[in-house]
Amino acid sequence: DQQVKQNSPSLSVQEGRISILNCDYTNSMFDYFLWYKKYPAEGPTFLISISSIKDKNEDGRFTVFLNKSAKHLSLHIVPSQPGDSAVYFCAASADDNNDMRFGAGTRLTVKP
Amino acid sequence: DVKVTQSSRYLVKRTGEKVFLECVQDMDHENMFWYRQDPGLGLRLIYFSYDVKMKEKGDIPEGYSVSREKKERFSLILESASTNQTSMYLCASRVGGETQYFGPGTRLLVL
Repeated sequence: DQQVKQNSPSLSVQEGRISILNCDYTNSMFDYFLWYKKYPAEGPTFLISISSIKDKNEDGRFTVFLNKSAKHLSLHIVPSQPGDSAVYFCAASADDNNDMRFGAGTRLTVKP
Repeated sequence: DVKVTQSSRYLVKRTGEKVFLECVQDMDHENMFWYRQDPGLGLRLIYFSYDVKMKEKGDIPEGYSVSREKKERFSLILESASTNQTSMYLCASRVGGETQYFGPGTRLLVL
C-alpha cells in the first residue's frame, strides 16, 4: 500500500528550464514532507522540507509547494542544471514519528 | 557533518547464508533505520530503533532481524539469505524530528 506516490518514473529537462517533480499522498495524517536527492552509488541526501502549516518553502533554486486539499506536493527547480540530474524521492511522516514513507522516486535528467 | 557509514558497498552471498550488514553513525543520534531500495518501489522501511536494545518493525521485516547493542551501531541480519533479498540496503539515522541522514548503501546480491 503505497501511501506516497511519484507517478513519473523519469523526467527530462533542458538546462536553464524549470523542473517540476510531483508527489501525491493518501494519508491525511501526514504533516511533514521532505524531498531527498540521490546520486548513483550514494545514499539519499536531504534537499528541502515543508510542514503542513505552510504551503510553500523556498531554498535557493528549490521550492516545494504543498496543496493539502489535493494531497499533493511538488518540487520546482529553477533554473535546472546538469548537476541536478539524480533520482528525487518524496517522503512524508505524521506527528514526528519514525515511520517515514517514501515514494518510488523520479529520475531527473537535465540536458546541457 | 553527520557521517553514516556502512560496512560494505557491495556484497555477494549465496542462498541460505547468514548476512550481517553494519551501520555506524557518529552524531549520537537516538534513531536509526534500515531501508531497502528497489526499482519502482522506492525506499521501504525494514526496521528502526529509537534507543539501544530497542527495535520496531517497519513495513517489510520478514526475513530480517536487527541488533542495537550500542547507540552508534545498528546491524541488519539476514538469517538465511534468499534471492528476493537482492537489493540496495540503506541505513539512516536522525535525532528527534530532524531529517534522516543516510549512509552510502550496500548493494547485496544473493545468488
